Parts: sequence; structure tokens; C-alpha cells
Amino acid sequence: EVQLVQSGAEVKKPGESLKISCKASGYTFTNYWIGWVRQMPGKGLEWVAIIYPDDSDTRYSPSFQGQVTISADNSISTAYLQWSSLKASDTAMYYCARQNGDPFFDYWGQGTLVTVSS
Amino acid sequence: EIVMTQSPATLSVSPGERATLSCRASQSVNSRLAWYQQKPGQAPRLLIYGASTRATGIPARFSGSGSGTEFTLTISSLQSEDFAVYYCQQYKNWPQYTFGQGTKLEIK
Repeated sequence: EVQLVQSGAEVKKPGESLKISCKASGYTFTNYWIGWVRQMPGKGLEWVAIIYPDDSDTRYSPSFQGQVTISADNSISTAYLQWSSLKASDTAMYYCARQNGDPFFDYWGQGTLVTVSS
Repeated sequence: EIVMTQSPATLSVSPGERATLSCRASQSVNSRLAWYQQKPGQAPRLLIYGASTRATGIPARFSGSGSGTEFTLTISSLQSEDFAVYYCQQYKNWPQYTFGQGTKLEIK
């Protein structure tokens, strides 16, 4: 059974750094793209970034390029999304999701709520 | 960027009735369109891909149609568990995926 289990909720101050995680199981981690999707409070879904763990090929939405970094650790089948300097506008739920062979998202994590407030 | 526009923003339907949700793309996406369902406090769930193929475990009352720029998600006989927000997503312009803004399906 494919599962994506994300790290817990985070409360941070503006300017702080953060790295959230998504641990995959039930499939060969290196064979599928895995990505992150943002959902701001009461809003819709926005694609952030994806990574192909086998060769670390990464792609970013233009809206998020330079704002976040996606990475993966194949030894523990885990993908990450990190910020070096958080802003209040980063407050949102972040979902990780596996990209199927065809590029839609077939499995989703439970979400990680990131709250940035002074 | 391909812009996805869903209509209506909110749809009120009685249980047992049919619901029809629309999604329009600003340019052709062929059949590279997916639909997701999101219930409050939950992650999105894949319903339909390739515009008309149901994902594993999705009941037959959910059906998708369309190609090019006009797409429809139909729920033939609404059950209580179907009241949720529905999003369409194009993946023709990979990896620049774009989602529609969502349609909230509420109980009438």
C-alpha cells in the first residue's frame, strides 16, 4: 500500500528556517516524481515543486522558484521542502504528493500545517 | 501559463440528484486533465485522470468527460459523502501544473 506520511505542524517566526518532510512507503521511491502542493487558508491548490529522486532532477513553479528548496534522501525514502527565511505569507498547509507515470498526483500525504507569526 | 476556470464556485444539490461541475482551460490540454475531491480537514483525493478514467476505488457514479478546453465532472446520484470541494488540474504543460479554483458542492 502506497503511503506518504508527513512531519507534524510547525509554528515559526518570520526569518526562521524550516524543513518539512514526507516519508514514502509501499513503492520504489526512486522511480516516481514526488512533489509539494500549497494550500493557503481557505484557498485552492498551488503546485510548488517536484523532484525525481533517482537523479535529483528538480522543477519549480515560477511562483516559488528561489523561495523554497526541494530535496530527497533516497536512503530513507523521504522528500523535503525547506525555507531559509520564512515569511508570514508562507503560512499554509503543504501537501506532498506522488506523481503517477502520467503526471497527475495519485497519492497524497496528510498535510503539514506551517504557521509563520511573530 | 494555462489558466483553469471552474464553474460554478458553489453548487447546491439535494442528495440523490445529479451534480454537474465544469472546468475550462485557457488553451487546449487535450485529455490531460485530472479531478480531485477534497473534504474538510483532509488531503485531496484523485478521482479522475485522462479526463475520463476513474482512479482506483472510485465509485462508478463519478464520471468525467471532455477534451481540449471544456471538461465536466458528473456525479450521477449524490451521496452524503460526496459533499466536498472539487478541483480540476491540467498536466499537459508539465511540470507547470495548474489547478482550477475549486467548486464547493453543498447540500441543498
